[in-house]
Amino acid sequence: EAQVTQNPRYLITVTGKKLTVTCSQNMNHEYMSWYRQDPGLGLRQIYYSMNVEVTDKGDVPEGYKVSRKEKRNFPLILESPSPNQTSLYFCASSPSDRNYNVLTFGAGSRLTVL
Amino acid sequence: EDQVTQSPEALRLQEGESSSLNCSYTVSGLRGLFWYRQDPGKGPEFLFTLYSAGEEKEKERLKATLTKKESFLHITAPKPEDSATYLCAVAAGGTSYGKLTFGQGTILTVHP
Repeated sequence: EAQVTQNPRYLITVTGKKLTVTCSQNMNHEYMSWYRQDPGLGLRQIYYSMNVEVTDKGDVPEGYKVSRKEKRNFPLILESPSPNQTSLYFCASSPSDRNYNVLTFGAGSRLTVL
Repeated sequence: EDQVTQSPEALRLQEGESSSLNCSYTVSGLRGLFWYRQDPGKGPEFLFTLYSAGEEKEKERLKATLTKKESFLHITAPKPEDSATYLCAVAAGGTSYGKLTFGQGTILTVHP
């Protein structure tokens, strides 16, 4: 089944404890992206990657890091999480042709930072 | 800065009562406008892409239209299973080729 898989789905952590949210897709998509979704603010783009070793900032990149060493994986790293990073996170992917904004989303990862 | 505004924030309909959702956008060179549906506890699911003013797309009870300033998602004779949050997003031209800006969404509830 074609899908985007995120882990963990739920995580409660404490301020300053480094964490990584993994994202993997099995559709051979070139484009991958991370979003956070907050009540009243909608989906906001954190980082995106057009292909392996190519990443760029979205609208809210502060406090996050990403890497794209392999085509299928695009992990989101929070080096020193803070409570304002408590949110619902979505990873998404798409092909690189004209349909590259036709995103397939993962099921989401709900992160709570205490 | 690209901006997307959706209205209304929430819409309650009776089954069979047709209506429209609005997505207004400000972007420097629209490359595409996208509609997604999001069910509670799930990731958004793609519905439509519109590329140029005057374009229309249909899928079952949904029809999306596009002008130079806004897009409408028309829902004809909705059913309870159409209840969801509908998200609009725009992709702009220029150097930010991979950026996608979403609106806040419209929460649609269809009562039997």
